[in-house]
Amino acid sequence: NAGVMQNPRHLVRRRGQEARLRCSPMKGHSHVYWYRQLPEEGLKFMVYLQKENIIDESGMPKERFSAEFPKEGPSILRIQQVVRGDSAAYFCASSPTGSHRSDEQYFGPGTRLTVT
Amino acid sequence: AQSVTQLDSQVPVFEEAPVELRCNYSSSVSVYLFWYVQYPNQGLQLLLKYLSGSTLVKGINGFEAEFNKSQTSFHLRKPSVHISDTAEYFCAVSVGRREYGNKLVFGAGTILRVKS
Repeated sequence: NAGVMQNPRHLVRRRGQEARLRCSPMKGHSHVYWYRQLPEEGLKFMVYLQKENIIDESGMPKERFSAEFPKEGPSILRIQQVVRGDSAAYFCASSPTGSHRSDEQYFGPGTRLTVT
Repeated sequence: AQSVTQLDSQVPVFEEAPVELRCNYSSSVSVYLFWYVQYPNQGLQLLLKYLSGSTLVKGINGFEAEFNKSQTSFHLRKPSVHISDTAEYFCAVSVGRREYGNKLVFGAGTILRVKS
């Protein structure tokens, strides 16, 4: 059973470009979480999605950031017009159906975004 | 609001010595607590979790943690560390209501450096 897959692992963008980060959850998991890890900080929650639905986006910046989890295909975190402050590691996690507070989240290896 | 404080940013220790990584949390509701480990350039791996029951929780790789409700702590311990335990360790608390998922609030992390 493959784990959570994220690609690309490393992404370099110039200021003003768009960044698209992809996450394929574990087989059978329909709940996806995105977290951001800034340098020297812990992970911060961004958004929680189920298939075709955004459930909680309370951690997403109000502008330039969006996320989706379509019926088919991976979850996408999209950052428009990137700025240097967006440089971070972005982690995706998935959990089994029926996400309860006690459910374990399985993390992907992360995408390290560098904005030049 | 829930928060997690990891009191030490770095902990150096010699191989085969015992170690304790400290974690304190604040929460107004019942808590589920987790410890994750992150090896360089990798995602997070669950070490152990406290949901209910016995306050002493055993995890993988010889780690254990003790939940102390009166002190709002969840310290991680290992009686004898190996070089391979060198990594960053994150304490996290689960927040949110069931229908809104299981977002995790993380501490800032503690880097464990095991020296030979």
